[in-house]
Amino acid sequence: DAGITQSPRHKVTETGTPVTLRCHQTENHRYMYWYRQDPGHGLRLIHYSYGVKDTDKGEVSDGYSVSRSKTEDFLLTLESATSSQTSVYFCAISETGTGPYEQYFGPGTRLTVT
Amino acid sequence: AQSVTQLGSHVSVSEGALVLLRCNYSSSVPPYLFWYVQYPNQGLQLLLKYTSAATLVKGINGFEAEFKKSETSFHLTKPSAHMSDAAEYFCAVTNSGGSNYKLTFGKGTLLTVNP
Repeated sequence: DAGITQSPRHKVTETGTPVTLRCHQTENHRYMYWYRQDPGHGLRLIHYSYGVKDTDKGEVSDGYSVSRSKTEDFLLTLESATSSQTSVYFCAISETGTGPYEQYFGPGTRLTVT
Repeated sequence: AQSVTQLGSHVSVSEGALVLLRCNYSSSVPPYLFWYVQYPNQGLQLLLKYTSAATLVKGINGFEAEFKKSETSFHLTKPSAHMSDAAEYFCAVTNSGGSNYKLTFGKGTLLTVNP
């Protein structure tokens, strides 16, 4: 299994509170991604990073920000959590090379916003 | 823009029966295609991938998928279902051009295996 950990694994927070989720990899992969998974929607890309301090928005980036100060860590911040951000969040990594960039996923963080 | 359609949000089969999970893609350039599996309370695990080397792709756990350009399909099959195959399955696509680091996922198909 790819060396990807996410913390915390479960979190309950209140509306309006800032929340930071952490993804840590030991594979030295260049690309890192944050997705959210909701019933009936599959996985939707929030933000991704293509190197240290290089990030870009995905399809559902409103209300989220990211940072990557080291190759191994990619942080997702909910600036002011809302109930619509209750979801399961997955981090993924991939690497450059020939062929497609298959992604490897972490175990997920279940976030509940009350 | 790329898109993936998985026909059937829920498929139920009997143990020992054929598993067929459908995936159709829409891509303006030759695609790379993937199938992932997600067991309850876990992350996604790569089952197999199509990279244009061969149209029939074999993956882990006895699954395989066939790329059919004329039908824009990449259906996942397994000859004989096992109880341990019960999970959610996701098809994903990326293009073979410069931005192939981003995947677009289908909405998933939940596979139930009945004894």
